[in-house]
Order: sequence, then C-alpha cells, then structure tokens
Amino acid sequence: QVQLQESGPGLVKPSQTLSLTCTVSGGSISNSDYYWSWIRQPPGKGLEWIGYIYYSGSTHYNPSRRSRLTLSVDTSKNQMFLKLSSVTAADTAVYYCARLTVATMKFDYWGQGTLVTVSS
Amino acid sequence: QSALTQPASVSGSPGQSITISCTGTSSNIGRYNIVSWYQQHPGKAPKLVIYDVSERPSGISNRFSGSKSGNTASLTISGLQTEDEADYYCCSYAGNSDLIFGGGTKLTVL
Repeated sequence: QVQLQESGPGLVKPSQTLSLTCTVSGGSISNSDYYWSWIRQPPGKGLEWIGYIYYSGSTHYNPSRRSRLTLSVDTSKNQMFLKLSSVTAADTAVYYCARLTVATMKFDYWGQGTLVTVSS
Repeated sequence: QSALTQPASVSGSPGQSITISCTGTSSNIGRYNIVSWYQQHPGKAPKLVIYDVSERPSGISNRFSGSKSGNTASLTISGLQTEDEADYYCCSYAGNSDLIFGGGTKLTVL
C-alpha cells in the first residue's frame, strides 16, 4: 500500500520561501507509471493543482504558480520537494502531495496534508 | 484557466439519488475523456471515486457512477447513505499537461 507523508514548517513569514517534503513509502518514486504532484486547499475553499514532477526531474507547473514554484525529487530517498517563494497570506493552505497516474491522470493516492500558515 | 463550475451544494435523503454537475469548456471536459471525481470528508484528504469519466477504482461502491455530455461531466450517487455526506470535487485534464479542479460541491444527506 502506497503511503505519502508531507512534512515541513507549519508557519512561514510573508516574503519568505515555503518548503515542504513529501516522503513516499510502499512504492518507488522512480516508477515510470506515475507523476508526483502537489495540490493545495486554502481554509474553507476548494482544491488547487499546483504542479507535478516525474522521477526523471521533469516538471510541469500550474501556469498561475510557475513563477514562484520549484519542484524537485530525490529518488535515493523516495522524496519530492516543493519550494514556493515570496509567499503571502494567500498561500496559507493545507498542502497535499499525491500520486498522479501517467496514463489516466488521476490522483490515486494522497498524503494526509499539512497546514502551512503564512503570517508574521 | 478558470475553475470548473460545480453547484455549491446539493442535498438528498437516504436512499435517494443525486447528481452533481461539473461544467467546463471545449478546451477541457469537452475535449478529453479525462475527468475524475474526489470525495472529501471534513479534515480528511480527498479520495478518488471516479476516473476516466466513468471508471470506478477498486473498492468504490457501484452506487457511484460518472458520465459526460459535451462540456459537462456528472457524478451520480444512488441509494444515498449518511456516510456519503462530504464535499465532492471534479478534475479534468486541460491540455498542455495542465489539470483543473472544480470549485467543489457540498453534499448533505438529510
């Protein structure tokens, strides 16, 4: 059973960089059948797809977030990483990592999510 | 791209059927049969209930079904149960490797 676990600071100051880690267990992040994705959900609001990365390091970002977003992967540790720069209060959200199937573009496994609050 | 359009809320009684619509454009739902639906209970991560418009993942009740007509996809839940009360989100492939979610629908089981 694949499991994903997000980790990182729960509080980030405005203008700083938000950094999160997603650790994958029960499966290999190097499996060519999957992308690894981030999705966020502001409190009381809907889901927003942020971007995804392939084990090779190839990335694709939501066009509205591309300028501030960097995704990376460490296959040796079975981890992927998110960095979002110049954050504002609008970036306050629960951040989920999820596995995205290449063939059918469905998010079939999700982490439990981690709340990141942007505040001074 | 703007979010896909879903009704803010729907409701039904136990045993009844409800349908949640998800309206996009000819650039996303209308062009691709890559629509998925997610169920989210309060404080929990979303859970996949439908993919490829109408396919059910293993372990998902056959009370959940999906369809598409033109630019609109739909999720139908038959034989409503109290545990179906949750938020539901649609998601579509939008071309150029992009994905887009709907705004979400709150299902209340009366």
